[in-house]
Amino acid sequence: DQQVKQNSPSLSVQEGRISILNCDYTNSMFDYFLWYKKYPAEGPTFLISISSIKDKNEDGRFTVFLNKSAKHLSLHIVPSQPGDSAVYFCAAKGTGAGSYQLTFGKGTKLSVIP
Amino acid sequence: DADVTQTPRNRITKTGKRIMLECSQTKGHDRMYWYRQDPGLGLRLIYYSFDVKDINKGEISDGYSVSRQAQAKFSLSLESAIPNQTALYFCATSDPGLAGDIDTQYFGPGTRLTVL
Repeated sequence: DQQVKQNSPSLSVQEGRISILNCDYTNSMFDYFLWYKKYPAEGPTFLISISSIKDKNEDGRFTVFLNKSAKHLSLHIVPSQPGDSAVYFCAAKGTGAGSYQLTFGKGTKLSVIP
Repeated sequence: DADVTQTPRNRITKTGKRIMLECSQTKGHDRMYWYRQDPGLGLRLIYYSFDVKDINKGEISDGYSVSRQAQAKFSLSLESAIPNQTALYFCATSDPGLAGDIDTQYFGPGTRLTVL
């Protein structure tokens, strides 16, 4: 059973507009959430994270929002740029025993159209 | 230079062959991981190592073995490769660091393995 779900396999956005990538999770023991970006022929690159005690974390053009009651998080990219075109993975981890383990979603392919 | 390197980057082999994938890191991290990614799926953990003497099975360890030769090196072996082990393989490292750090994992560029 998938504990981290990214229900949109792909997303197309016009350059300069906002990109919103969504992620849902089922395990209430997750304490941290991370977003990774992956270009073809490269490994995933850490982008931004958020702790479950926060509801927002911002880093430049990237903002992650967490709605713990809905078990939902989203990554906002504003403004979107063609270089943002990549696959974005949502990942979650807990604390305590097994806290090392990242559980990944299947990814969302973002295409930013010039 | 890349902090986490993987060799080879691409490999085609035949069923039944023994294959070793290598990972080296210059980040000085104690923790290292091996993942595989299949098309349309997220990354799944194969093995992880918290230090040279500590190696543990992950979610999908069957058919794989690992060796942690040094803090900086972590190898993944397929003792007898089979076609359903065709996948992208990623090595990652992390360092829990100070209390409160979320132990972010940093990934290598990946090895594309095809088993015929």
